[in-house]
Amino acid sequence: DIQMTQSPSFLSASVGDRVTINCKASQNINKYLNWYQQKLGEAPKRLIYNTNNLQTGIPSRFSGSGSGTDYTLTISSLQPEDFATYFCLQHNSFPYTFGAGTKLELK
Amino acid sequence: EVQLVESGGGLVQPGGSLKLSCVASGFTFRDYWMNWVRQAPGKTMEWIGDIKPDGSNTNYAPSVKNRFTISRDNAKSILYLQMSNMRSDYTATYYCVRADYYSGGFDYWGQGVMVTVSS
Repeated sequence: DIQMTQSPSFLSASVGDRVTINCKASQNINKYLNWYQQKLGEAPKRLIYNTNNLQTGIPSRFSGSGSGTDYTLTISSLQPEDFATYFCLQHNSFPYTFGAGTKLELK
Repeated sequence: EVQLVESGGGLVQPGGSLKLSCVASGFTFRDYWMNWVRQAPGKTMEWIGDIKPDGSNTNYAPSVKNRFTISRDNAKSILYLQMSNMRSDYTATYYCVRADYYSGGFDYWGQGVMVTVSS
């Protein structure tokens, strides 16, 4: 199985900050990498699919990049509603596997 | 609007059984692969299985194979997860998840249902 190492596990930031979250795959996943946002008690929401494609309805302050084994989610200017947990998913090969998540907290 | 609503969670004893349901709406359910994903407390999300649109094929993670059965009722737009011979490490939030037909991966998730396996 492909292992996904996500970092950092916790991130403390302020409104207006630019933040980056990383996922590293144990092998090349050919850009088949999605990013999700999850708030307590809510369904996870897809933000980015296939590395850099913004899901319809998601603000443009969210962006994704990467290739090979290394991928990044960037939030350009944090808004109050962005404080949540973020996780990645590789869907290059079965079984699909997930990053452990990054909890983004208000500083 | 795509909606996935799970139900059926609760407390079950080790060795017991439980059946989860997921009611889908807002899309043509019979056209999509559907999945179950779980997250144990403090752990990473884990894909546990999927089912083909017509229900003719299922796949399972090794950790649940022969204990879990995924099925679906396309006439009612309901996905099921039958869990048997449950263990304490099956305690988790279970999510119903739609596979993305066009781009791959998963696009829509339910809010999840909690299952606790304990005596």
